[in-house]
Parts: sequence; structure tokens; C-alpha cells
Amino acid sequence: SQQGEEDPQALSIQEGENATMNCSYKTSINNLQWYRQNSGRGLVHLILIRSNEREKHSGRLRVTLDTSKKSSSLLITASRAADTASYFCATGSARQLTFGSGTQLTVLP
Amino acid sequence: DTGVSQDPRHKITKRGQNVTFRCDPISEHNRLYWYRQTLGQGPEFLTYFQNEAQLEKSRLLSDRFSAERPKGSFSTLEIQRTEQGDSAMYLCASSSPGQETQYFGPGTRLLVL
Repeated sequence: SQQGEEDPQALSIQEGENATMNCSYKTSINNLQWYRQNSGRGLVHLILIRSNEREKHSGRLRVTLDTSKKSSSLLITASRAADTASYFCATGSARQLTFGSGTQLTVLP
Repeated sequence: DTGVSQDPRHKITKRGQNVTFRCDPISEHNRLYWYRQTLGQGPEFLTYFQNEAQLEKSRLLSDRFSAERPKGSFSTLEIQRTEQGDSAMYLCASSSPGQETQYFGPGTRLLVL
């Protein structure tokens, strides 16, 4: 079963715009991770935010975490066509990760 | 840069046949994971190895599935008597001790006819 649910399921924006994806999860966490998957490929780790952090930045990525609402958001600023991919949040432990169902982002040139 | 590799990348088989997939993790990683991903869904955890020991198994891993990591290096995932419902992408990942980030291979896409 999926631990998290991403919202929206699909998002289409123009190049240069910002993209925001949300993730909700069900159980308490130590950290939450975001991964990207290009079509038909493996997943690439983007960023990890710990439960005691509220916000984290990495390049054009900004992640927020609200443990009281059991939710996280991923913001991609100044999007590029190369950002077109599926984005997944994941929670869990060193022994296994539980992924959400993902947001399919399409960035139009 | 030797990332996680998987072989084969694609496999087409007939229902009832056995298939075996191989995963070579990043060399210094002692943790290895298998996930299954169907179209439009996120990956679902199958099993976890620490060195050669299989420490976690999902309920998804029915008795037709078996995974091994005999020398704590590469791993194999075998599916016996394949069914059409086994059609999916099988992803392998690895990580090092104390690291929560997992590094994924490109996956093996299985199609059962």
C-alpha cells in the first residue's frame, strides 16, 4: 500500500514557471525524501528533510515539512523542460521506503 | 562512476516461465533493496538485504518470488511460474551504512504474455 499521496497527480506548466507538488503521509516519520523519475528509468534522489526541519533548499528545489499536518511540499523554481518527470515522496527507514503515487510534471518549452 | 546496474533491462516471457534478474549495487554499499513498480504508481518495497542477510520481506513477495545475495555483493530476484500480474518494472537500489538515501538502478521491465 502507498504511504503517501501526491497532489496533484499531474501538472503541466510553461518553462520558467514554478511547480509545486504536495505529499501527505499517514504515520510519524524520522525524515521524508523526494525522488525524481524520468520516463522508464530509475529514481534519482533529490532531497531529504528531517522531521525536526521545516524547510530545506537545494538549488532550484525548496522542500517544506509540516509534521502536524503530515504533509510536505516540493517547489521547483524557474522550471526547465528537463524537469519533466514524475516526482515521488518517500518515507520509511533504512530498511525500506514507502513511496507515494507520484506527480507527473510536464514542463512545456 | 559505477552506479547500480541491472540486467536485463527488458524481459518478455510467457506465462508459467521462470525469470531471473540481476542487480549489481554500488561497490561499497552493503544495503540492497528490491522494489516493484507498476504503471502510474510509485515503487513498492519487496525485500531488503544487509550484506548477505535478507532482513525484510514484503507480503508482496509471494512464494513464487525468491531473492538472494549470496556473497553480499550482487543480488538476484527470481520469479517462478510467472503470471500476467507480475508484469512490472523491477527496481534495485543500494545504500551505505548510516545513509538514508537509496541509489536506484535503471530497472528491469518485465512483460508476461
